[in-house]
Amino acid sequence: DAGVIQSPRHEVTEMGQEVTLRCKPISGHDYLFWYRQTMMRGLELLIYFNNNVPIDDSGMPEDRFSAKMPNASFSTLKIQPSEPRDSAVYFCASSSVRLGGTEQFFGPGTRLTVL
Amino acid sequence: GEDVEQSLFLSVREGDSSVINCTYTDSSSTYLYWYKQEPGAGLQLLTYIFSNMDMKQDQRLTVLLNKKDKHLSLRIADTQTGDSAIYFCAESIRGSTLGRLYFGRGTQLTVWP
Repeated sequence: DAGVIQSPRHEVTEMGQEVTLRCKPISGHDYLFWYRQTMMRGLELLIYFNNNVPIDDSGMPEDRFSAKMPNASFSTLKIQPSEPRDSAVYFCASSSVRLGGTEQFFGPGTRLTVL
Repeated sequence: GEDVEQSLFLSVREGDSSVINCTYTDSSSTYLYWYKQEPGAGLQLLTYIFSNMDMKQDQRLTVLLNKKDKHLSLRIADTQTGDSAIYFCAESIRGSTLGRLYFGRGTQLTVWP
């Protein structure tokens, strides 16, 4: 298995632009998580899905952030409009509780820089 | 609550043992995990322990769990420069949030040659 795949790996954009981050979870996993990592705040859970349904989005910073999971093999995290304070590394992770484990497998992350 | 606390920094000399500590607040945890994050990479599972165990050993790694004090530690024997990374403690909890992990802030381990 290729593991969790994220794209792009790096994104540089200007303030006010729309940014879309993409994630392909491990095949067969039923949970998908979006995290944000910064020096100041550490690793923050933004939102997570179970069987493509959002379960908890209380970590989403504000209405500028939205996430979707249209099917079991794809999810997006969108920021519109982007701001410099959104600069961070965004991780996607997946797990398979259905198979009896809660271990999460992380993607390599997307490093976002908003100028 | 689901607070997981770790010290932020640890420095050791190559060849010494490292001990990274973690405390958690929720007594209904099922599994406790240690993840490792190398520079520019995502988190990778290092080891885990089921909450009804006291100790787990895996080569150079020893995990100790004190359920009474809600304290978890990771000991790395014969620490190498390649062990320099951020180490995250995490717990999973029974109930409605099954599937979610609660992470600490991470401990930056620096190994000096």
